[in-house]
Amino acid sequence: DVKVTQSSRYLVKRTGEKVFLECVQDMDHENMFWYRQDPGLGLRLIYFSYDVKMKEKGDIPEGYSVSREKKERFSLILESASTNQTSMYLCASKGALEGAKNIQYFGAGTRLSVL
Amino acid sequence: RKEVEQDPGPFNVPEGATVAFNCTYSNSASQSFFWYRQDCRKEPKLLMSVYSSGNEDGRFTAQLNRASQYISLLIRDSKLSDSATYLCVVNRHTNKLIFGTGTLLAVQP
Repeated sequence: DVKVTQSSRYLVKRTGEKVFLECVQDMDHENMFWYRQDPGLGLRLIYFSYDVKMKEKGDIPEGYSVSREKKERFSLILESASTNQTSMYLCASKGALEGAKNIQYFGAGTRLSVL
Repeated sequence: RKEVEQDPGPFNVPEGATVAFNCTYSNSASQSFFWYRQDCRKEPKLLMSVYSSGNEDGRFTAQLNRASQYISLLIRDSKLSDSATYLCVVNRHTNKLIFGTGTLLAVQP
């Protein structure tokens, strides 16, 4: 079974703090993704990575950065947290061999509140 | 206009009922299609892929109509455990999935 682990289920931070969300997968997947999920807006892609040290912007990258130093780990960074970044953050991974199946496996999510 | 549109529901149905959800997508270049299921406060999980010829997995049937750009999911003999949000998902290209906002199904005893 694929396991995608997010370091925290719940986080509370203050405006202006630097926030790190960590994600680890154990299936040697090449591709990893960060989404946020908000009511009425669904899942929106923030950033993804198709290899170590490689990254691409998703649909809403503003205010976020990412780091992929090791294949199994993909970090999402909020340089200066703002209240509009309060959301559920979901990490996902996908193997390169999935091809057209395009199955993404998700972590349990981190619910971030920025006060 | 959203790239993937779904009726948010809720669909309240009795156990044993048949229920169908539709989803429309706007990008005619979309290549592959999926239904994911998301339980309350849990992560999304793949329910089934959707193929042009239609496909079935037990009580679940998925259909794709490329000409009209819509996807459907039919659930027969609904169970209480089917209660969840069903996400319609379309891929824009290899690494990008576009998620609908989901349809909430509540199966009543």
